[in-house]
Amino acid sequence: KAGVTQTPRYLIKTRGQQVTLSCSPISGHRSVSWYQQTPGQGLQFLFEYFSETQRNKGNFPGRFSGRQFSNSRSEMNVSTLELGDSALYLCASSWGDRGPTDTQYFGPGTRLTVL
Amino acid sequence: TQLLEQSPQFLSIQEGENLTVYCNSSSVFSSLQWYRQEPGEGPVLLVTVVTGGEVKKLKRLTFQFGDARKDSSLHITAAQPGDTGLYLCAGDSGGSNYKLTFGKGTLLTVNP
Repeated sequence: KAGVTQTPRYLIKTRGQQVTLSCSPISGHRSVSWYQQTPGQGLQFLFEYFSETQRNKGNFPGRFSGRQFSNSRSEMNVSTLELGDSALYLCASSWGDRGPTDTQYFGPGTRLTVL
Repeated sequence: TQLLEQSPQFLSIQEGENLTVYCNSSSVFSSLQWYRQEPGEGPVLLVTVVTGGEVKKLKRLTFQFGDARKDSSLHITAAQPGDTGLYLCAGDSGGSNYKLTFGKGTLLTVNP
């Protein structure tokens, strides 16, 4: 079974630009969560989508947004990029039933560098 | 806000040594997970512990969930270079506000 895929793997942008990251979950998984990972803050939860609806949201500004399509693929958008947005962006998919065995499987991440 | 504190932050040991990594919080979690992340990759789940006091063994790795479900430990016996990586604990708050809260991780280096 194919794992979680994320595209692109690497991205370089300049301040003020916007960026869209894509995540394809494991087949059958309906939940997709997004995380930001930085050396200083570690892994921080951005938001979770389940059946095309945002089910939960972390403490990030409105410049960070996302959506999920009917095939469970998800995109994350960051507008008006800031230097501090440089990070590894990870998505994780799961069945979404929120039980203790509802394992999250992570993709390899998109490394975003903002210059 | 739920926080998970991991210690130590960095650990460098020789092959064959034993080690323990800790994950502590003042909050109660419905379950706690341990992940290992290698450079350039996403975290990979090692184990999920659900019951207070639970102990799970995965070959040379032993995971324990505290009785009060606020803390956990990971013990590695006879560490090998292949154990090198970033070990992350993550707590599940459960309920309708489900999300994983991650610790900042312990970066383990096992030298041959």
